[in-house]
Amino acid sequence: DTGVSQNPRHKITKRGQNVTFRCDPISEHNRLYWYRQTLGQGPEFLTYFQNEAQLEKSRLLSDRFSAERPKGSFSTLEIQRTEQGDSAMYLCASSLGQRSSTDTQYFGPGTRLTVL
Amino acid sequence: AQTVTQSQPEMSVQEAETVTLSCTYDTSESDYYLFWYKQPPSRQMILVIRQEAYKQQNATENRFSVNFQKAAKSFSLKISDSQLGDAAMYFCAWEGQTGANNLFFGTGTRLTVIP
Repeated sequence: DTGVSQNPRHKITKRGQNVTFRCDPISEHNRLYWYRQTLGQGPEFLTYFQNEAQLEKSRLLSDRFSAERPKGSFSTLEIQRTEQGDSAMYLCASSLGQRSSTDTQYFGPGTRLTVL
Repeated sequence: AQTVTQSQPEMSVQEAETVTLSCTYDTSESDYYLFWYKQPPSRQMILVIRQEAYKQQNATENRFSVNFQKAAKSFSLKISDSQLGDAAMYFCAWEGQTGANNLFFGTGTRLTVIP
């Protein structure tokens, strides 16, 4: 296992279309996070999973966004009826989920979404 | 809400020289973690260094070290003997001890290394 992977790396879509992104975390990691990064900004938290349970959602995650993590493995993030303001880099990160001094979030390469 | 501020949008350093990137944060919590992440152009974010708030000793990782001033809520990153491969966006981040343990990031500092 070489790290967190995300697919696709780039997605161009027209406004109003639905898109889905996939994240494959490091295999033994229990926690999975989604962040959004817009140009010139740091990543912002969207939601996270502890195994298959989605435990917290940011106010940034509107009703058009939905995330799943079936069986506690990979996760998908779907955006329905995309808007131009959804254009951003969507980052996935995973961690062991243990409160220890060595637990760290490892990031994937991101999916860059462009909404035309 | 937690906030992280990086007041230097861009910094440059001569190769082999030392540079310090600044970060301040605001929190009412007493126990937390602080991080510096590096994001090279078109590449994924990687952890540079982490600091636990309860530890007074500043963290060090090879050429990277931090100056953690808890009372001042300051967390700067020093890069010694800068190399061309250090060129990247550097993000300071804060993580609490409860709830989602999600990271709060600053807006980043773009570091250029001049040969």
